[in-house]
This record gives sequence, structure tokens and C-alpha cells, in this order.
Amino acid sequence: GNSVTQMEGPVTLSEEAFLTINCTYTATGYPSLFWYVQYPGEGLQLLLKATKADDKGSNKGFEATYRKETTSFHLEKGSVQVSDSAVYFCALSEDNYGQNFVFGPGTRLSVLP
Amino acid sequence: EAGVVQSPRYKIIEKKQPVAFWCNPISGHNTLYWYRQNLGQGPELLIRYENEEAVDDSQLPKDRFSAERLKGVDSTLKIQPAELGDSAVYLCASSSSLDSPLHFGNGTRLTVT
Repeated sequence: GNSVTQMEGPVTLSEEAFLTINCTYTATGYPSLFWYVQYPGEGLQLLLKATKADDKGSNKGFEATYRKETTSFHLEKGSVQVSDSAVYFCALSEDNYGQNFVFGPGTRLSVLP
Repeated sequence: EAGVVQSPRYKIIEKKQPVAFWCNPISGHNTLYWYRQNLGQGPELLIRYENEEAVDDSQLPKDRFSAERLKGVDSTLKIQPAELGDSAVYLCASSSSLDSPLHFGNGTRLTVT
């Protein structure tokens, strides 16, 4: 079946550091890939997505590129802020519309001032 | 626009007791989801509604869980009787169409003692 693996957290960085959160997936088909973010006390929010190989999703300074050859969708940000502290979930969906998600376990990021 | 509203935010019950969660989706959103998120894990789909119809309930433990979405708007998820393993955060999400992202509520944190 389909699955998503993420790097274990928590990840603790100083403000303005470079961030990478690794995500790899296993899928029988050709999925769409997503990153969701959950800020403390809030629901999950879509951060970015990519629907085909070599697509790059980007939002709020975060980027992730759909790499079919390595089945990966790593999340990156060049300079993190304290306000980026949250839990980040990688997810896939077999259909292009993201209606049947498989989520990864989440990676908690803490950014220190 | 108002977001997905869930209540209560927290619920503590003893095992074998019943419990119910309520969700009010974003106005006009026809698709509604219930997810369960265990501690340290990503959300897992329990049931998906298209208007009043449950179109995917394959992951819903039907011996103790039930859900309804009368009139295709609000939804209720019930557990009777609750077990210790049901302790989790129950998330509701909605979307307006197949080609739009999911909007999540803040969730209900259930603790079964």
C-alpha cells in the first residue's frame, strides 16, 4: 500500500538557519504530493503541493520538489523564523485532487530566537 | 470566511462511556471528512461524505463508531462504548470540490481513562 516516511523530530534550529525536512514515499501509482503544517493549537493547513515529477511547490519561503527518481519530496527553507515552529506533515494522494490522503507521522520543528 | 468549527475542543471520559463530536464545515463545502490522529502520527481517514452520502467509510470501526451528516451540512461522529485505545485527536475537514484543498478544524482531543 501507499506510505509516507518523514525524518524524525524534533528538529531544533536557530533563527535564520537553513531547514530541510526529508520526506520519501511509496506508492503504486503516480501520486500528488503535499506538505501540511500544524501550528500550535490549530488545525492542519496546506503549505504547498506538487502534482507531477519535477514540479516545485512553494509558499511562505518554503519549497519542495517532486523527485520521482528518488521518490522524495523534501521540504526546504533558506532562513527559518520563530513563527515557523510547528509540526510539518508530508502527504500523498493517488488522485490529483488530494481527496484520499496518506499522511506521514509529522516532524516537529522548533525555532529558537 | 469562517473556518471548520469543531466541538468540544477537549473531552475526558471513562472507558465504556459514549462520546460524540460535532463538526460544522465551511459554508458551501460539500465534502466532509473525519480523521483520527494518534499521538505522534499523521491523521488517518475514518469516513468521507459527499453531501449526505458516506462515500468512503472503509476505515471506520463500525462496531463502535458511527457518523451522520444530516442535510449535508453538520456532522456528528459517535463512539459507543469508548475504549482506552480511542484516545486521540479527532479532526474534521471539508472541501468545496474535488479540485480544492482540504480545510481542517482544530480538532477534538479525546482522552479515555
